[in-house]
Amino acid sequence: GDSVTQMEGPVTLSEEAFLTINCTYTATGYPSLFWYVQYPGEGLQLLLKATKADDKGSNKGFEATYRKETTSFHLEKGSVQVSDSAVYFCALSDAADGGGYNKLIFGAGTRLAVHP
Amino acid sequence: SAVISQKPSRDICQRGTSLTIQCQVDSQVTMMFWYRQQPGQSLTLIATANQGSEATYESGFVIDKFPISRPNLTFSTLTVSNMSPEDSSIYLCSVSGGASNTQYFGPGTRLTVL
Repeated sequence: GDSVTQMEGPVTLSEEAFLTINCTYTATGYPSLFWYVQYPGEGLQLLLKATKADDKGSNKGFEATYRKETTSFHLEKGSVQVSDSAVYFCALSDAADGGGYNKLIFGAGTRLAVHP
Repeated sequence: SAVISQKPSRDICQRGTSLTIQCQVDSQVTMMFWYRQQPGQSLTLIATANQGSEATYESGFVIDKFPISRPNLTFSTLTVSNMSPEDSSIYLCSVSGGASNTQYFGPGTRLTVL
């Protein structure tokens, strides 16, 4: 079945550092890919998405490019802030796996801590 | 995106009791889902709530333990039955609809079972 693998955390950075969180996937079809963010004590918020190969999703300074050849969707940000401290989840939705509805499969999550 | 609310936001329950969690959306949506997030873990899909028919459960989850209702296109409930401490988790509903396969999540219900 489909799966998502994320780099293990926690990731600890100083403010204004460059961020990369790796995400790779396996899928039977042509999935859509997502990054969700969970701030402390809150639910999940959609951060960005990409629906086909070579698409780049971006939001709030974060970017991720859908790389079919490497089955990856790495999250990047050029300059992190303390307010970016959260848990980041990579996820895929593959209608080909699961009866045709858009089931989301999540990675384990990566905790990011940004210090001043 | 749709505005999603959940009730209760948190609860502390005794072993052997049941809790019903409500999910309300401010617009009609095609799909509604229920997820579980155990402490420090990722999210796992419990079931898809189908309007007008029985929910579709994922492997490892059964209707007797997690009965789900979806009476219309804006509302669903998840009941956690005969609870044990292992049921302590955050329970989240999500919705999607139209041509988009993007899911949007409610704020979650934090359940502690003693």
